[in-house]
Amino acid sequence: EDKVVQSPLSLVVHEGDTVTLNCSYEVTNFRSLLWYKQEKKAPTFLFMLTSSGIEKKSGRLSSILDKKELFSILNITATQTGDSAIYLCAADLTNAGGTSYGKLTFGQGTILTVHP
Amino acid sequence: GEEVAQTPKHLVRGEGQKAKLYCAPIKGHSYVFWYQQVLKNEFKFLISFQNENVFDETGMPKERFSAKCLPNSPCSLEIQATKLEDSAVYFCASSQRHRGLISLLANTEAFFGQGTRLTVV
Repeated sequence: EDKVVQSPLSLVVHEGDTVTLNCSYEVTNFRSLLWYKQEKKAPTFLFMLTSSGIEKKSGRLSSILDKKELFSILNITATQTGDSAIYLCAADLTNAGGTSYGKLTFGQGTILTVHP
Repeated sequence: GEEVAQTPKHLVRGEGQKAKLYCAPIKGHSYVFWYQQVLKNEFKFLISFQNENVFDETGMPKERFSAKCLPNSPCSLEIQATKLEDSAVYFCASSQRHRGLISLLANTEAFFGQGTRLTVV
């Protein structure tokens, strides 16, 4: 059974702290790993990682994938209260034909709370 | 459109009533997915469509749940005879047509709608 596990499940920090969120996966036919941020409503896309060792950055957020060890991390530096959200990682699987159909298997999410 | 549009935003149904949720995917996206979020964090995959064809329905409950994606119409998810445990936020997502392994730049991220909060009382 395909499985994505995130840790920690919740995290409370103060503004300015740096956090690292973890995501490990055990899936068949892995294609890519995606990170989403969910605030009040729909998850919003952060990163898609397909290749190992290539860091993706967007402002204070960065993420990297290790396909050998089957995990990814999401780093947030100099956290702000606006970073408070649930961070979801999801594995995007590819089917037998080699075309990804985008069915995402989600982890449980990490609830990040940033205090002023 | 440039965003996934879900309607209604909120839906309240008495136990045993029918609930119907709608989703208009982003124009040009061939894949549509339905997810159920019961607890705050957990997304459960329900069903996916490739155009109007069911692609993967492994997450759909065998009874009471059905879904369609017909040409020139929003996709729909219908729950017959709702139960209290059906209360959840139902998210629809769409993604582009994929070219397969040839195109490493194929865009595969799913874009989510704002969800429909179904409350069964």
